[in-house]
Amino acid sequence: GDSVTQMEGPVTLSEEAFLTINCTYTATGYPSLFWYVQYPGEGLQLLLKATKADDKGSNKGFEATYRKETTSFHLEKGSVQVSDSAVYFCALSKSSASKIIFGSGTRLSIRP
Amino acid sequence: GAVVSQHPSWVICKSGTSVKIECRSLDFQATTMFWYRQFPKQSLMLMATSNEGSKATYEQGVEKDKFLINHASLTLSTLTVTSAHPEDSSFYICSARRLAVLYNEQFFGPGTRLTVL
Repeated sequence: GDSVTQMEGPVTLSEEAFLTINCTYTATGYPSLFWYVQYPGEGLQLLLKATKADDKGSNKGFEATYRKETTSFHLEKGSVQVSDSAVYFCALSKSSASKIIFGSGTRLSIRP
Repeated sequence: GAVVSQHPSWVICKSGTSVKIECRSLDFQATTMFWYRQFPKQSLMLMATSNEGSKATYEQGVEKDKFLINHASLTLSTLTVTSAHPEDSSFYICSARRLAVLYNEQFFGPGTRLTVL
């Protein structure tokens, strides 16, 4: 079945470091891909999305490119801040009417 | 932006009792809401899809008689954990789907932490 695999955490970085969180997926057809973020004590928020191959989603300095050839959707940010500390979930959905399948989540901690 | 609330945010109950969790879409109507369960350091597992005015659709392995879902209005869905046991302790998250022209996005509530003693 369809699935999402993302790198295990926790990931700990110093402020202003470069961030990469790897995500790969298995799915038939052409799913939409997402990154969600869960800040401490809050619900999930959509961070960015891409709906077709080679699309780049971006928001708040984060970027991810939909790579169909490698079935990947890695999350990157050039310079992280303490406020980026959260749990990040990679996810896919076959259509806007179908369920979302989540990866296991990656906890990110940024040191001042 | 679209806001989804959950109540209560946390609850502690005795084994054998029932607990009701509410999920509300505050500024939009949601014909479809979803209930997820999240174990510590694990991902969200979809439990069921709640459709307004009809029966919920449960995922494989989820006991429908234990996790009762009611979607009585376009802004409210409830999850009742019946005869709760310690293994039901978990973080329960709901989401509501907002219909749009291009894409039907899901918005997530803040979650409810259930502890069964």
